[in-house]
Amino acid sequence: KAGVTQTPRYLIKTRGQQVTLSCSPISGHRSVSWYQQTPGQGLQFLFEYFSETQRNKGNFPGRFSGRQFSNSRSEMNVSTLELGDSALYLCASSLGNTPNTEAFFGQGTRLTVV
Amino acid sequence: AQKVTQAQTEISVVEKEDVTLDCVYETRDTTYYLFWYKQPPSGELVFLIRRNSFDEQNEISGRYSWNFQKSTSSFNFTITASQVVDSAVYFCALRHGSSNTGKLIFGQGTTLQVKP
Repeated sequence: KAGVTQTPRYLIKTRGQQVTLSCSPISGHRSVSWYQQTPGQGLQFLFEYFSETQRNKGNFPGRFSGRQFSNSRSEMNVSTLELGDSALYLCASSLGNTPNTEAFFGQGTRLTVV
Repeated sequence: AQKVTQAQTEISVVEKEDVTLDCVYETRDTTYYLFWYKQPPSGELVFLIRRNSFDEQNEISGRYSWNFQKSTSSFNFTITASQVVDSAVYFCALRHGSSNTGKLIFGQGTTLQVKP
């Protein structure tokens, strides 16, 4: 069974640009969550999508957005990049039909904003 | 408010020593779920265990064991006879049980270094 796939693995962007990250969940999983990991703030929840609907949202500015497609693949977009957006972005996949399930993570996309 | 605290930022042990990673959580939910994840240098978070709030049985899996105590709101993780391959960052996490969400609240992580 294939795991969670995130692309690209590494990105370098310039301040002010926008970026799109992609996540393909495990087959059959309908929930995709996104997290930002930084040395200072640790792992912080961005948002969760379930069956193409945003089910939960963290405390991030509107520059951070996401969507989920009918095949459960998800993308997150960050517009008007700031230096502080440099982080490891992790995607997690789970069945999503109950909170009593584990989430499986991808290897992440490391975004550097210069 | 929900919160997870991992007070140990870094731990260094010598191979074959036992080590315990502490995790203390706060929640008002009566139903909740606790997790441990391992993050090796590659970056991926590897699932280790899930525990339900209504199941206080300790669990052992090989060299790993977990001690869940609701009375002290703790979910500690012990590695017996540590090995160099155990070197990683370990995260404890909490999830609501009262709403249907996948959101995980993570602690700050404990970096474990096992020296040969």
